[in-house]
Amino acid sequence: GAVVSQHPSRVICKSGTSVKIECRSLDFQATTMFWYRQFPKQSLMLMATSNEGSKATYEQGVEKDKFLINHASLTLSTLTVTSAHPEDSSFYICSAQDRVNTGELFFGEGSRLTVL
Amino acid sequence: LAKTTQPISMDSYEGQEVNITCSHNNIATNDYITWYQQFPSQGPRFIIQGYKTKVTNEVASLFIPADRKSSTLSLPRVSLSDTAVYYCLVGENQGGKLIFGQGTELSVKP
Repeated sequence: GAVVSQHPSRVICKSGTSVKIECRSLDFQATTMFWYRQFPKQSLMLMATSNEGSKATYEQGVEKDKFLINHASLTLSTLTVTSAHPEDSSFYICSAQDRVNTGELFFGEGSRLTVL
Repeated sequence: LAKTTQPISMDSYEGQEVNITCSHNNIATNDYITWYQQFPSQGPRFIIQGYKTKVTNEVASLFIPADRKSSTLSLPRVSLSDTAVYYCLVGENQGGKLIFGQGTELSVKP
């Protein structure tokens, strides 16, 4: 079945560096993808809606200059955490909907970011 | 997007049936009810979706009363591997944008 893949699954970086996380729809095209973050023992929090070929739509309170989202193709969205700090350490999850075929929504496996 | 309310946690034993109820008083006419399961350090996994009455698949049943202001996820004969967080979400079927509530942490004991 359709799968959404994230890469990397785990990343450790130094404070002040930038980290890019990829979200790919493997066998369907996704004009829209969604990015979430999840802190330990908490629920998923929607960060932004990634739109292919246009700017992302950010949820209230999410810094667009901090979390850069690029959706350059119908199968790939990237989230770049710029100038990462320890408080950005979290579990980042993307989702994508196969609107053309089944309408099903699929989540990626998640990416664990640890900022030292 | 309708807000949902679920119990924060539930405990059960292997082999028992578990019912998790979710309240969604402000559900809209076009909204569907969807349940997801999440294991630690993994993305959520779709369990079941319904609009009204009862839906059953190979892993669960979903009961929705006529007023649709609540729903109950029923897991038959749970096993240790069903220990996870279960999220009830309400939204348009083709919306894609989901707002997660707090979820219910189910703990299945031997």
